[in-house]
Amino acid sequence: QLVLTQSPSASASPGASVKLTCTLSSGHSSYAIAWHQQQPEKGPRFLMKVNSDGSHRKGDGIPDRFSGSGSGAERYLTISSLQSEDEADYYCQTWGTGIVLFGGGTKLTVL
Amino acid sequence: QVTLRESGPALVKSTQTLTLTCTFSGFSLSTSGMCVSWVRQPPGKALEWLALIDWDDDKSYSPSLKTRLTISKDTSKNQVVLTMTNMDPADTATYYCARTIAAAGMGPFDIWGQGTMVTVSS
Repeated sequence: QLVLTQSPSASASPGASVKLTCTLSSGHSSYAIAWHQQQPEKGPRFLMKVNSDGSHRKGDGIPDRFSGSGSGAERYLTISSLQSEDEADYYCQTWGTGIVLFGGGTKLTVL
Repeated sequence: QVTLRESGPALVKSTQTLTLTCTFSGFSLSTSGMCVSWVRQPPGKALEWLALIDWDDDKSYSPSLKTRLTISKDTSKNQVVLTMTNMDPADTATYYCARTIAAAGMGPFDIWGQGTMVTVSS
């Protein structure tokens, strides 16, 4: 069964870097995923697609501070030079034939 | 510029049917590869995918809600409509529509609407 797992929370200081993880369920390590950012009281925004080989393609206007990578069944979102506006919920998404799934989201706090 | 905007009632009663409309611009749902999905988010909870319709009028539904959902499109009006039957207070959520460009299979949601909040009263 296709499932995405994310840690519920993460925190880091302004100016630091943070790496968020999205883990695909067993047998699904070849799947691509997407990362979406949801700032407080706002709708989601597409950040990037991360392929199984770790390559990524960002959405329009996404700063260079955001990057994606992957290893095995894990897909990563790295945010460098953290800013206060990066405090948000981050969701990963994947898809298969006739199905779309989201992870449970990671709440990032910029301390 | 691609935009999507959701519209529908802010309040519905239990057992009623909800009808939501997604009106979009900047692309055509008759173009090969274009898809529109509905996603919802209960207050304080995670995103949940509901349904998808593609340029070829193929439809997919969340297995857990399949019996209650119907998605359709009106290409001439640039609209996608979602109906959800037998509404329950647990269906209280913000409902979003989002676009996908399918290339060699499905793909990520690259543009989202702003969402519309629906409250279900008991």
